[in-house]
Amino acid sequence: AQTVTQSQPEMSVQEAETVTLSCTYDTSESNYYLFWYKQPPSRQMILVIRQEAYKQQNATENRFSVNFQKAAKSFSLKISDSQLGDTAMYFCAFMETSGSRLTFGEGTQLTVNP
Amino acid sequence: DAGVIQSPRHEVTEMGQEVTLRCKPISGHDYLFWYRQTMMRGLELLIYFNNNVPIDDSGMPEDRFSAKMPNASFSTLKIQPSEPRDSAVYFCASRSSGVKNIQYFGAGTRLSVL
Repeated sequence: AQTVTQSQPEMSVQEAETVTLSCTYDTSESNYYLFWYKQPPSRQMILVIRQEAYKQQNATENRFSVNFQKAAKSFSLKISDSQLGDTAMYFCAFMETSGSRLTFGEGTQLTVNP
Repeated sequence: DAGVIQSPRHEVTEMGQEVTLRCKPISGHDYLFWYRQTMMRGLELLIYFNNNVPIDDSGMPEDRFSAKMPNASFSTLKIQPSEPRDSAVYFCASRSSGVKNIQYFGAGTRLSVL
């Protein structure tokens, strides 16, 4: 079974600075998808960024980028120019390409301070 | 599109009562998922449907839980009888088989069983 581990329960950053959230996973699959979801206080789960394992290029979405290290099974999220609206719980998630089940990590609570 | 719509937003009930949570997926999506979020277990998949047919219900905790999808635009998750340990946030998500495994989440239903 796949597992996803986020070792940082809480993090904080000053507005406009850069922060990196860590995620590791365990799988025997060679192809899969990785995701970062954001859950603000409103509770809504919002997709931030997605990476396909067969693509070596790291995904980027505006201020959000990932560092995907397939051999190390690591998938970190970098948030540049942090904004107050980035304050949320961030979940790393894994999905096999052949399946539909999302497996989530424990989450990292990020607080952006003014 | 209005996104995935869940109702009610909050539900408070007493132990032993029947609870029904509702979900309307995004129009055109042929996969529907029910997740549960708790402090102890995090986010976990309960069941998912493809074309209204249950595909994987291995995450359903026990016989008190049941889910149905009578048509492509509506699904229910029922708990009967409810217990305090069922208190959690329940999310519904949907996706299209044509879009590479991106699941869109509803706002969730916070269930409190007293």
